[in-house]
Amino acid sequence: AQTVTQSQPEMSVQEAETVTLSCTYDTSESDYYLFWYKQPPSRQMILVIRQEAYKQQNATENRFSVNFQKAAKSFSLKISDSQLGDAAMYFCAYRSAMYSGGGADGLTFGKGTHLIIQP
Amino acid sequence: KAGVTQTPRYLIKTRGQQVTLSCSPISGHRSVSWYQQTPGQGLQFLFEYFSETQRNKGNFPGRFSGRQFSNSRSEMNVSTLELGDSALYLCASSLVSGRARSTDTQYFGPGTRLTVL
Repeated sequence: AQTVTQSQPEMSVQEAETVTLSCTYDTSESDYYLFWYKQPPSRQMILVIRQEAYKQQNATENRFSVNFQKAAKSFSLKISDSQLGDAAMYFCAYRSAMYSGGGADGLTFGKGTHLIIQP
Repeated sequence: KAGVTQTPRYLIKTRGQQVTLSCSPISGHRSVSWYQQTPGQGLQFLFEYFSETQRNKGNFPGRFSGRQFSNSRSEMNVSTLELGDSALYLCASSLVSGRARSTDTQYFGPGTRLTVL
């Protein structure tokens, strides 16, 4: 079974600065997807960024970018120019690319990192 | 395009009762997944439906069940509620790349907050 670990329960950053959230995962598969989701106080889970394991290029979405290290099984999220609206819980998630047909193939989430933005 | 909708948003039940939650996916999405979120266990996968068939199931007791209709809308049911079933239940929808390939990006609804007294 796959596991996802977020070792930082809470992070704090000054507005306009850059912050990096860490995520490591454990899998024996080679084809999979990785995601970062954001959950603000409204509890709505919002997709931030996705990465396909076969793509070596790191995904980027505006101020959000990832550092995907497949061999190290690491998938960190960098938020540049932090804004007050970025304050939320951030979840790293893993999903197998191939349907196994027998097990729980849903998203596997980490425990989350609570990001605080200091004005 | 409208997002994933879930009804009701809040629900209060007592132990032993049963509850049904509803989820309408994004138009064109045929896969619907359900997750339970609690402070202690975090986010856990319940099950996934595609073309009215349960395709995946997480490690939950048989009291948790679901179904999907021909219009891709899905319901999940919890029978004989326990205090520990109090949670935020999230529904997510996605496109399906093919029968053998899992879906990739899942888009979540706002959730249903279930409180069991």
